[in-house]
Amino acid sequence: KAGVTQTPRYLIKTRGQQVTLSCSPISGHRSVSWYQQTPGQGLQFLFEYFSETQRNKGNFPGRFSGRQFSNSRSEMNVSTLELGDSALYLCASSPFFVGTEAFFGQGTRLTVV
Amino acid sequence: TQLLEQSPQFLSIQEGENLTVYCNSSSVFSSLQWYRQEPGEGPVLLVTVVTGGEVKKLKRLTFQFGDARKDSSLHITAAQPGDTGLYLCAGARRSNYQLIWGAGTKLIIKP
Repeated sequence: KAGVTQTPRYLIKTRGQQVTLSCSPISGHRSVSWYQQTPGQGLQFLFEYFSETQRNKGNFPGRFSGRQFSNSRSEMNVSTLELGDSALYLCASSPFFVGTEAFFGQGTRLTVV
Repeated sequence: TQLLEQSPQFLSIQEGENLTVYCNSSSVFSSLQWYRQEPGEGPVLLVTVVTGGEVKKLKRLTFQFGDARKDSSLHITAAQPGDTGLYLCAGARRSNYQLIWGAGTKLIIKP
């Protein structure tokens, strides 16, 4: 069974640009969550999608958005990038809801210059 | 806001020693999960504990969920260099099952 796939693995963007990250969950998993991880702040929850609906949302500005498609694949978008958005962005999929168990992808390392 | 306090934040010990990592909260969780993360990779689930007082063993790793389901511990016996990594605990909120994460314990096992 294939794991969670995140693309791209690495990304360098300029301040002010926007970026879209992609996540393909494990086949059959309906919940996809996104996290931002930085050395100083640890793992911060962005949002969770279940059956194309955003179910939970963390405390991030509106520049961070996401969506889930009918095949459970998910994308997250960050607009007007800031230097502080540099982080490892992790996607996790779960069979039903994230509170049971989360299977993470390898992450996308975003660097904003 | 539910917080999950993890301690210690950093631990560096010699191979063969024992250690315990703690995860504490004032809130009750429906379950608690432990993950290990290596640099540049995503966290990997080690175990989920659900019942108060539950103890689970994974080779040299022993996980315990507190009786009141507010805290948990991870004990490693005879640590090995392969145990090196960032250990994260995450509690599932009872209201919406959203995971609340601890800040992590960076563990280094020296040969």
